[in-house]
Amino acid sequence: QQQVKQSPQSLIVQKGGISIINCAYENTAFDYFPWYQQFPGKGPALLIAIRPDVSEKKEGRFTISFNKSAKQFSLHIMDSQPGDSATYFCAASMLGNYQLIWGAGTKLIIKP
Amino acid sequence: KAGVTQTPRYLIKTRGQQVTLSCSPISGHRSVSWYQQTPGQGLQFLFEYFSETQRNKGNFPGRFSGRQFSNSRSEMNVSTLELGDSALYLCASSRDSPGANVLTFGAGSRLTVL
Repeated sequence: QQQVKQSPQSLIVQKGGISIINCAYENTAFDYFPWYQQFPGKGPALLIAIRPDVSEKKEGRFTISFNKSAKQFSLHIMDSQPGDSATYFCAASMLGNYQLIWGAGTKLIIKP
Repeated sequence: KAGVTQTPRYLIKTRGQQVTLSCSPISGHRSVSWYQQTPGQGLQFLFEYFSETQRNKGNFPGRFSGRQFSNSRSEMNVSTLELGDSALYLCASSRDSPGANVLTFGAGSRLTVL
């Protein structure tokens, strides 16, 4: 019940296309859902995060869509660029809890 | 402001040796977490320290240990190294906000065990 399942494991998208990465969870006590982006040779960095009181959050080309009833959330990258090529991790945590539960990661490659 | 600093960045050890990795968090961050990252296993949580106390621990053997100093700097130690310990070890610090914990990661220490 503590798991966060992330898919796909890897993704290849053409430049200008939409990249979509999905995550699913079981524990309804989760109430904070961040996405982290990791470039080769670097540590992960917070990209965008959402709470379940909203269904969507947008920051530039990056959007989180949240479906509370389905217990799923996804990251959409619009107009994907080669510079977006990285590994993306979803995560979740519970109110009052400090520990993040991580998805397995998605390696995204944007083809020029 | 300075980010999370991890040292050393790269190191090579042989089986049976031990290793100590260091992490300096962002100034003002009191929580430090450690993760192991391998190609097939993603981010595996090792432990988290707050105010010199281990607050959370992942599912790793006792060969993996850590500590935090009064200035929030942290070290982790792996004893009796095994080939499978080869990995990128990441440290992350945070301001410690329950329910919205934003982690800032260092670049990692890449350990190779021969």
